[in-house]
Amino acid sequence: QQQVKQSPQSLIVQKGGIPIINCAYENTAFDYFPWYQQFPGKGPALLIAIRPDVSEKKEGRFTISFNKSAKQFSLHIMDSQPGDSATYFCAASMAGFQKLVFGTGTRLLVSP
Amino acid sequence: DTGVSQNPRHKITKRGQNVTFRCDPISEHNRLYWYRQTLGQGPEFLTYFQNEAQLEKSRLLSDRFSAERPKGSFSTLEIQRTEQGDSAMYLCASSLAGLAGVEQYFGPGTRLTVT
Repeated sequence: QQQVKQSPQSLIVQKGGIPIINCAYENTAFDYFPWYQQFPGKGPALLIAIRPDVSEKKEGRFTISFNKSAKQFSLHIMDSQPGDSATYFCAASMAGFQKLVFGTGTRLLVSP
Repeated sequence: DTGVSQNPRHKITKRGQNVTFRCDPISEHNRLYWYRQTLGQGPEFLTYFQNEAQLEKSRLLSDRFSAERPKGSFSTLEIQRTEQGDSAMYLCASSLAGLAGVEQYFGPGTRLTVT
């Protein structure tokens, strides 16, 4: 119940494409869902986050779609660029608890 | 740069030796977290502090691991009698308690290799 399942494991898109990364959870007590971007040898960087009271949130080229009834959320990257090539992690946390539970990551490659 | 900093960035040690890592959080942040990340996996929570108090510890944090945050500012993570299975990236994050307190910002990590 503490897990967040992430797919796909890897993804290749052409420049300008819209990669979509999906995450699913079981624990309905999760109430905060961030996405992180990580480059090799670096720490994860917070990209965008959402709470269950909204179904979509956009920040720049990044969009989170949230489906509370299906217990799923996804990250869309509009007009993807080679510089977006990185590993992306979804995560979740429960109200009153501080730890983030991470998915297993998606390695994205945007070809020129 | 006012982000989270970690030192050292890399540490190679022999099995059985003790190692200590340091984390300096974003200056106004009162919460500090330690995570461990192995190759190809997401970070796993180890422990967190609010000010000086260590409020939660994961079962991953065996008795060989100890973390401190003596004055509510920087934190240290010590691993005693290191084992090869301890080889991983150790990540520190910080956040500000309150409405936006769950936004955790990570440092660059310390990569530990135990030979």
